Amino acid sequence: EVQLVQSGAEVKKPGESLKISCKGSGYSFAYYWIGWVRQMPGKGLEWMGIIYPRDSDTKYSPPFQGQVTISADKSINTVYLQWSSLKASDTAMYYCARQDGDGDFYFDYWGQGALVTVSS
Amino acid sequence: DIVMTQTPLSSPVTLGQPASISCRSSQSLVHSNGNTYLSWLQQRPGQPPRLLIYKISNRFSGVPDRFSGSGAGTDFTLKISRVEPEDVGIYYCMQGTQFPWTFGQGTKVEIK
Repeated sequence: EVQLVQSGAEVKKPGESLKISCKGSGYSFAYYWIGWVRQMPGKGLEWMGIIYPRDSDTKYSPPFQGQVTISADKSINTVYLQWSSLKASDTAMYYCARQDGDGDFYFDYWGQGALVTVSS
Repeated sequence: DIVMTQTPLSSPVTLGQPASISCRSSQSLVHSNGNTYLSWLQQRPGQPPRLLIYKISNRFSGVPDRFSGSGAGTDFTLKISRVEPEDVGIYYCMQGTQFPWTFGQGTKVEIK
């Protein structure tokens, strides 16, 4: 069974750093792209970027380029999303999702989400 | 970026009746490989999104056959043949033809 399990909720202060994780199981982790999607409170879905764990090839959506870093450790089947200096506007639910493995461009499995709250 | 526009944004429906959601893209979603990467996602209250339909009309594993997708080029439709209580939630279309992938604003399906 394919599963993406994300790290837990975080409460941080502006300016702090943060790294959240997404661990895959039930499939050949290194060979499937994993993306990150933001959902701000009461809002829709925003595609942030995507990484191929086998070689860490990464693509970012322009609004998120330079604001976050996506990385992967294929040895432990885990992808990360990190911030070096959080802002209040980073408060959101963050989902990881797996891209289909046949080279098609859609997300077939999703993590449960990680709520990040940034408040002074 | 490709802009995805959904209508309506809210759809009150009677149980057992059909529902339809439209999604229009600002440019053709036909990829250079000939495929069209338009998918539909369902987000029930308090839950992560879930894939319903991929490549316009293919139902994902475990998705009931009351859900169907259609369309081509820039115009796409998700239909629910008979709405059931568990269908309440927000539905999103998403394009994967061009980076960055983009989502529609979401359509809220609720019971009258």
